[in-house]
Amino acid sequence: GESVGLHLPTLSVQEGDNSIINCAYSNSASDYFIWYKQESGKGPQFIIDIRSNMDKRQGQRVTVLLNKTVKHLSLQIAATQPGDSAVYFCAENTLNAGGTSYGKLTFGQGTILTVHP
Amino acid sequence: DGGITQSPKYLFRKEGQNVTLSCEQNLNHDAMYWYRQDPGQGLRLIYYSQIVNDFQKGDIAEGYSVSREKKESFPLTVTSAQKNPTAFYLCASNTPRTSTDTQYFGPGTRLTVL
Repeated sequence: GESVGLHLPTLSVQEGDNSIINCAYSNSASDYFIWYKQESGKGPQFIIDIRSNMDKRQGQRVTVLLNKTVKHLSLQIAATQPGDSAVYFCAENTLNAGGTSYGKLTFGQGTILTVHP
Repeated sequence: DGGITQSPKYLFRKEGQNVTLSCEQNLNHDAMYWYRQDPGQGLRLIYYSQIVNDFQKGDIAEGYSVSREKKESFPLTVTSAQKNPTAFYLCASNTPRTSTDTQYFGPGTRLTVL
């Protein structure tokens, strides 16, 4: 079946470096993508989202890039800090024929980001 | 304080017992969801409810049951039919709109079968 997956399960960076976390998706009908951050023992927190009619979206220190041609999504974190250490998930959603959401998200496996001071 | 609360934070169950996990939200969201997370893995959808008194099975509904009698509450029962219930359980809610569907998550309940 369709799935969302990640290229790399772990990523280690030095404090102050930029981080790039990647996600591949296989459902070409996906309309909406979300990045979540999950710290140990806690629920996922929303970071940033992007719709399929966009290529790039920026937030505070984060940028999401969407390449629909190769079905690839990435999360860039600028000036990574120790507090950014967490598991990062991408998730996808598909709108139904009426343009509203089914409400079901499909999550990738996750990437563990470790930031060394 | 607005948000999603889950209780208890930790839950221990003996084999053969049913247990119920609580999820409450005061965000006035229409839809609520239950996910299961196993170590080193992503989230898998158990059940979801888009309106009161209605719910649908997710990808791994076997051994679980839910109810949605109130908009604010979506309890999950892990029954004895669930053969491997030890996991981290996450509840989420949102109001599905035309083009965005951000789900907001509770803090989770860690269930351990003794």
